Amino acid sequence: KNEVEQSPQNLTAQEGEFITINCSYSVGISALHWLQQHPGGGIVSLFMLSSGKKKHGRLIATINIQEKHSSLHITASHPRDSAVYICAVRGSQGNLIFGKGTKLSVKP
Amino acid sequence: DGGITQSPKYLFRKEGQNVTLSCEQNLNHDAMYWYRQDPGQGLRLIYYSQIVNDFQKGDIAEGYSVSREKKESFPLTVTSAQKNPTAFYLCATGGHNYGYTFGSGTRLTVV
Repeated sequence: KNEVEQSPQNLTAQEGEFITINCSYSVGISALHWLQQHPGGGIVSLFMLSSGKKKHGRLIATINIQEKHSSLHITASHPRDSAVYICAVRGSQGNLIFGKGTKLSVKP
Repeated sequence: DGGITQSPKYLFRKEGQNVTLSCEQNLNHDAMYWYRQDPGQGLRLIYYSQIVNDFQKGDIAEGYSVSREKKESFPLTVTSAQKNPTAFYLCATGGHNYGYTFGSGTRLTVV
């Protein structure tokens, strides 16, 4: 079993829809990261959180430490949100342990 | 602007050759990491360095080597011992006190 599991693996939405991507982890963590990877391959860090909720524009990330679960929400989705969204948790060596990613496609 | 520069963006290697991927940062971060990404897989840790002149193996270090002679630089050499080197390679800096920053990646193909 992977230490970080994401669902769904693939997600297709219509422009304007509310989107939720889920992440569950099985290791103890000090922080959880949500990352965005565009087709060119570069990765951008969206959120780093260890408790509660963070919001940036149309993106909202929540984490429940007791349940070892985090969600990334996108409100009023847009085609430019199409990307792979990756959940990662910090390992004991300071490195990140990554989920396999959720490929999101938003249709106009 | 501070950031990470990875080069080259695309690299082709012949069977049996060693190749070196460059990673340079001007963020003054102590920790640097190399990850490998294969289609449908999460990124996996190859090597990491938390301080100059010191580095540690990650989960898939076999067939790779690194050096950390300067804080700014953490080059990765893919040796001929790496049997399946075709992949996307990402360099990152960061740690628990601040977020992670990623380079734009190098796509290596064996021809």
